Amino acid sequence: DIQMTQSPSSLSASVGDRITITCRASQSISNHLNWYQQKPGEAPKLLIYAASTLQSGVPSRFSGSGSGTEFVLSISNLQPEDFATYYCQQGFLSTSITFGQGTRLDIK
Amino acid sequence: QVQLQESGPGLVKPSQTLSLTCSVSGGSISSGGYYWSWIRQRPGQGLEWIGFTYHSGSTYSNPSLKGRVTMSVDTSKNQLSLKVTSVTAADSAVYYCARRERSGGNYYFDYWGLGTLVTVSS
Repeated sequence: DIQMTQSPSSLSASVGDRITITCRASQSISNHLNWYQQKPGEAPKLLIYAASTLQSGVPSRFSGSGSGTEFVLSISNLQPEDFATYYCQQGFLSTSITFGQGTRLDIK
Repeated sequence: QVQLQESGPGLVKPSQTLSLTCSVSGGSISSGGYYWSWIRQRPGQGLEWIGFTYHSGSTYSNPSLKGRVTMSVDTSKNQLSLKVTSVTAADSAVYYCARRERSGGNYYFDYWGLGTLVTVSS
């Protein structure tokens, strides 16, 4: 299996801040990396696929970058609704999909 | 707009079989082009991919579940089903069904159900 490691596991920020979350893969996955947002009691929501492509309807303050083994999710001008848990997911192996452990973003 | 809705018993006894159904609306499973997946999330934990199924009936499950998983589709009802046998407390989780999309060799989940909580307890 390809292991996905996110850092940090949690972070605190304020409305208006810019934050970054890193996701590292245990082997190269090209740009086959996807990001999800999950709020308490809700299903995950697809934010970004193929490392940097914004899913339809997702605000432009979200952006993704990276390739190979290191990827970054950035959120600029944090809004109250952005405080949630974020997961990365490798889509390189169709028969062995794996997720990162999640990064919890709290209000400072 | 594709919508998915999981349903099934919220409580299952240890060693028994967990059975869930996912009803799909806004799109036909039999039209092809998509694989349909099951994903679970233990309380307070991350996401674990269980497996996927296709309208043809082909399936693939996560080897970590050691052959305890059976997935199927009922195209007449536009539903998916999941069975997990010999459950233990470790199988207690919120179970999601999701549509797997593919783009340029990258696989991701673009539509998710709301999830259903299953607790394994006597």
